[in-house]
Amino acid sequence: DAGVTQSPTHLIKTRGQHVTLRCSPISGHKSVSWYQQVLGQGPQFIFQYYEKEERGRGNFPDRFSARQFPNYSSELNVNALLLGDSALYLCASSSLGWTGDYEQYFGPGTRLTVT
Amino acid sequence: DAKTTQPPSMDCAEGRAANLPCNHSTISGNEYVYWYRQIHSQGPQYIIHGLKNNETNEMASLIITEDRKSSTLILPHATLRDTAVYYCIVSLNNNDMRFGAGTRLTVKP
Repeated sequence: DAGVTQSPTHLIKTRGQHVTLRCSPISGHKSVSWYQQVLGQGPQFIFQYYEKEERGRGNFPDRFSARQFPNYSSELNVNALLLGDSALYLCASSSLGWTGDYEQYFGPGTRLTVT
Repeated sequence: DAKTTQPPSMDCAEGRAANLPCNHSTISGNEYVYWYRQIHSQGPQYIIHGLKNNETNEMASLIITEDRKSSTLILPHATLRDTAVYYCIVSLNNNDMRFGAGTRLTVKP
């Protein structure tokens, strides 16, 4: 079975540009979460979507936005890129939305470099 | 900030049990304890989770103290492929998954 897939694998952008990252969850999973992982640190929660609705948001500026489509895939958008946005962006899917008794499955991530 | 405290690094001999501690003294009654690991440059991998009782699966065992203020992840027979950063997380749900810095486990031959 296919796991969580993310595209692109790597991306280089310049400051001020916009970027869109994509995620396809495991088949049957309706929840998608996004994380940012800066080099040397643990992942930081950005958003969670369940059944196409935003269920949670981490402490990130409004330049970060996301959405979930009817097929449960998701996009993360970042506007006005800053050097500090350079990171590994991880997507995770799960079968349940907000209960605690479940596990998340992570994709391989998109490595974003802002120059 | 993460709600857990873990040692920054640990070593373990191949074939021996690896015991990774985690302190979560402020855990609330309905928060779960999760363990994930991340092998270099890959996405985190789910290992195990629990609420109050000890749990075991094919990868590991999770021992949670009676007061739930700490837990231990046990890899019964560590292999070189278990070398990774191990994250202990307490959370109500995936709206609030706070990864700390984790423990870098190095399994040595």
